[in-house]
Amino acid sequence: SSELTQDPAVSVALGQTVRITCQGDSLRSYYPSWYQHKSGQAPVLVFYGEDNRPSGIPDRFSGSTSGNTASLTITGAQAEDEADYYCSSRQTTSTHVVFGGGTKVTVL
Amino acid sequence: QLQLQESGPGLVKPSETLSLTCTVSGDSISRSSYYWGWIRQPPGKGLQWIGSIHYTGSTDYNPSLKSRVTISVDTSKNQFSLKMTSVTAADTAFYHCARGNWAGDRFDPWGQGTLVTVSS
Repeated sequence: SSELTQDPAVSVALGQTVRITCQGDSLRSYYPSWYQHKSGQAPVLVFYGEDNRPSGIPDRFSGSTSGNTASLTITGAQAEDEADYYCSSRQTTSTHVVFGGGTKVTVL
Repeated sequence: QLQLQESGPGLVKPSETLSLTCTVSGDSISRSSYYWGWIRQPPGKGLQWIGSIHYTGSTDYNPSLKSRVTISVDTSKNQFSLKMTSVTAADTAFYHCARGNWAGDRFDPWGQGTLVTVSS
């Protein structure tokens, strides 16, 4: 399958830890990229590859991949982390890019 | 600082052609290590990759849109463009442009996006 599957929504208490998962066959071959998207704003790359965080992204964002499942973890979630999060990767048998359906993170 | 800005009509009639331009500032679009991509988000739905282009003109398209989409680059203006033919209401979306990495599978940064509505 060329799809990436994400849970539609998750909530986390302020200061607690939340894990967002992404499943798909392509993740067995390619590491994902993770994007944070707030309504009306440009999506922001927050984590990518095996263990890479772009400059300016807080270190409370971390990622991991095992088999066909990738995770983005926010350790000590802040109010400003409330957003939609998307995973993406290259497809296994082509150079095409696929996005997951997105996970809405609510910080309580 | 690299910035991308989408521009184009916000309203397109069904069956007509959607045309958008992305203007890149803060870096040259001709740097060989990057691709340049278009991604869209229908209201209330998720992100969909439309396609990407290298400054040499090499393109890659989403198979589900390939028959209707053309992405081109104008290095003299530091711009790249999207054309989508035969649009329907299903093409109503926020359209973002973004810089892709060397493999074209990671995008950073993105433009804020522009809403294109398909309606008569």
